[in-house]
Amino acid sequence: EIVMTQSPATLSVSPGERATLSCRASQSISSTLAWYQQKPGQAPRLLIYGTSTRATGIPARFSGSGSGTDFTLTISSLQSEDFAVYYCQQYNNWPPITFGGGTKVEIK
Amino acid sequence: QLQLQESGPGLVKPSETLSLTCTVSGGSLSSYYWGWIRQPPGKGLEWIGSIFYSGSTYYNPSLKSRVTISLDASKNQFSLKLSSLTAADTAVYYCARHPSANYYVSDYWGQGTLVTVSS
Repeated sequence: EIVMTQSPATLSVSPGERATLSCRASQSISSTLAWYQQKPGQAPRLLIYGTSTRATGIPARFSGSGSGTDFTLTISSLQSEDFAVYYCQQYNNWPPITFGGGTKVEIK
Repeated sequence: QLQLQESGPGLVKPSETLSLTCTVSGGSLSSYYWGWIRQPPGKGLEWIGSIFYSGSTYYNPSLKSRVTISLDASKNQFSLKLSSLTAADTAVYYCARHPSANYYVSDYWGQGTLVTVSS
């Protein structure tokens, strides 16, 4: 099973600033990585798949990069609606698909 | 617009079997994978398993001995059965769609249903 590790656990950012979230895989997963956003009481929402492809309707301020074992989600200028928990997920070698533990982006 | 809706009991006793159903509206089950993901309160996401519209199933090895996922195309539904429940199975259970084996992400989700395991 591929273990996904996200850092930091919590990220404090001011509105308008850039946020950089990291995700590391325990072995190479090529570019088979997705990112999700989850707000309290809601289901996760797909943001990015294939490391860098934005899902339908996702604003351009969200971008993904990386390959192999190290990946990054960048939010270029945080809006109030972006404060949430973000999860990465690998789908290179499944079953099982596996998720990272999440990064909470909070208001500084 | 595709919509998924989970249904089932909110409270189940230890050692019993949980049965949940996901009803899909606004589209058919054809050509996609359909899965279950759960989230214990305050914790992260765990993939339980999925079923392809043809009936092939895929399970998380950690739960495989207790999980059965099935599909009823005539009702546009798929279901989860999880047996031998313990308190550790208390979680919000989500159903989701996965576009393909090569893009095994969850692009549509149900709203989730909280299942509490308690006597």
